[in-house]
Amino acid sequence: GENVEQHPSTLSVQEGDSAVIKCTYSDSASNYFPWYKQELGKGPQLIIDIRSNVGEKKDQRIAVTLNKTAKHFSLHITETQPEDSAVYFCAASKGGSYIPTFGRGTSLIVHP
Amino acid sequence: GAGVSQTPSNKVTEKGKYVELRCDPISGHTALYWYRQSLGQGPEFLIYFQGTGAADDSGLPNDRFFAVRPEGSVSTLKIQRTERGDSAVYLCASSFRGEDEQYFGPGTRLTVT
Repeated sequence: GENVEQHPSTLSVQEGDSAVIKCTYSDSASNYFPWYKQELGKGPQLIIDIRSNVGEKKDQRIAVTLNKTAKHFSLHITETQPEDSAVYFCAASKGGSYIPTFGRGTSLIVHP
Repeated sequence: GAGVSQTPSNKVTEKGKYVELRCDPISGHTALYWYRQSLGQGPEFLIYFQGTGAADDSGLPNDRFFAVRPEGSVSTLKIQRTERGDSAVYLCASSFRGEDEQYFGPGTRLTVT
């Protein structure tokens, strides 16, 4: 089955800096890659996703890149703010009714 | 509109007891998923419903775990003879007709003492 590795497990940045979280996947058939933000005591919230037919997607301060050849994808957050502090999860799936496999999460801490 | 809701938010039970966890998906979402999340881990798949039927229950760890969705809306996850290792946050998610985007509820934190 699919295996998703996520790094780093913890990331500490100063407000205004950029943050990058990286994930690798093992199943070349995976074609859908969502990113979730989970705040303490809440469920994961989808913040951005990318499909295998594009290499990059951007939404305001958040961007995701995908390298299908290398089987890795990354989340980029620019101009970080304290409210960006949360645990971020990447996931990979073959889309549709296939179940996503999640990474172990990255705890992002943005210091004011 | 209303999101996915789960009840109770917290459940403490003794080892060996039976528990039921409830999930109300987003109205109109035919696909419903249950996940389990242990501390410091990502969500781990348990079972997936498309309508009333379990389309994939390959993630259920053993026969103490069972889930139903009799009318294709609300779902109940049932755990028999609970063990301390069952302690985790149980998350429910729903999507529109099994499309990729899943929307998660806040979870139920289960503690087995």
